[in-house]
Amino acid sequence: DTGVSQDPRHKITKRGQNVTFRCDPISEHNRLYWYRQTLGQGPEFLTYFQNEAQLEKSRLLSDRFSAERPKGSFSTLEIQRTEQGDSAMYLCAAPGAGTGELFFGEGSRLTVL
Amino acid sequence: QKEVEQNSGPLSVPEGAIASLNCTYSDRGSQSFFWYRQYSGKSPELIMSIYSNGDKEDGRFTAQLNKASQYVSLLIRDSQPSDSATYLCAVNWNFGNEKLTFGTGTRLTIIP
Repeated sequence: DTGVSQDPRHKITKRGQNVTFRCDPISEHNRLYWYRQTLGQGPEFLTYFQNEAQLEKSRLLSDRFSAERPKGSFSTLEIQRTEQGDSAMYLCAAPGAGTGELFFGEGSRLTVL
Repeated sequence: QKEVEQNSGPLSVPEGAIASLNCTYSDRGSQSFFWYRQYSGKSPELIMSIYSNGDKEDGRFTAQLNKASQYVSLLIRDSQPSDSATYLCAVNWNFGNEKLTFGTGTRLTIIP
C-alpha cells in the first residue's frame, strides 16, 4: 500500500478525445505530485500542489494539460485533445516520512490511438 | 539543466552475485538521493534513501553516496531472480519539497 490510489488504471482513447485521471491520497498530505513516464525513460515531473495551490508546473505541461486539487485532497489531471505522444504512464505521488521521499501510486496508463 | 545519469544497461548478473548500479548527478547542491525499483508495467517502488556521504545498508541492499564525486550507487548482494527489474536513481535538490529528478533507469537481469 503506497498510500496513493489512481483511477483509471488503464485508458485507451482516440486521438483528439479528452481524458481525466484522478489521484486519491489515502491519508492527508499537504503536497501531491504528478509525473509522466514514457517507455524506456524515468518519470518526468509535471506539476505539484501544496494543499490546493499548484506551486510549480513543468514546461512539459502544455496548455492541453490541466491539473487541479480543489479541496487539497484528491487531484485530477486532464488532457484535452489527446495526441499519440501523450501515450504514457501518468503517476501520482505523495510524500513519505523521510526527507524528500515520494511514494507513487499504481499509475494510470494512457494509450492514444 | 539539472541531470541524473545512469547506464541504461541491460546489466546481467548471475544469481547469488553482487549487482552494482551507478548514478551520477550534475548539481553539487543536491540534498537527498533515492533508489527506486520498477518491475515491468508497474510503478516505481522506493527501496533506499541516502542523505549523507558513506554507506547505508538495508538487508541485501547497500546505497553508497560520494557528494564530492557527485556519485551514488546501489549494491545488491546475493542477487535473486526477483531482483530483475529496472532501477531508477532519483535526486532531490530542493529544500521544502519532494520534487525528484530521475535518471532513465538501469535494467537489471539476474540469471539463474
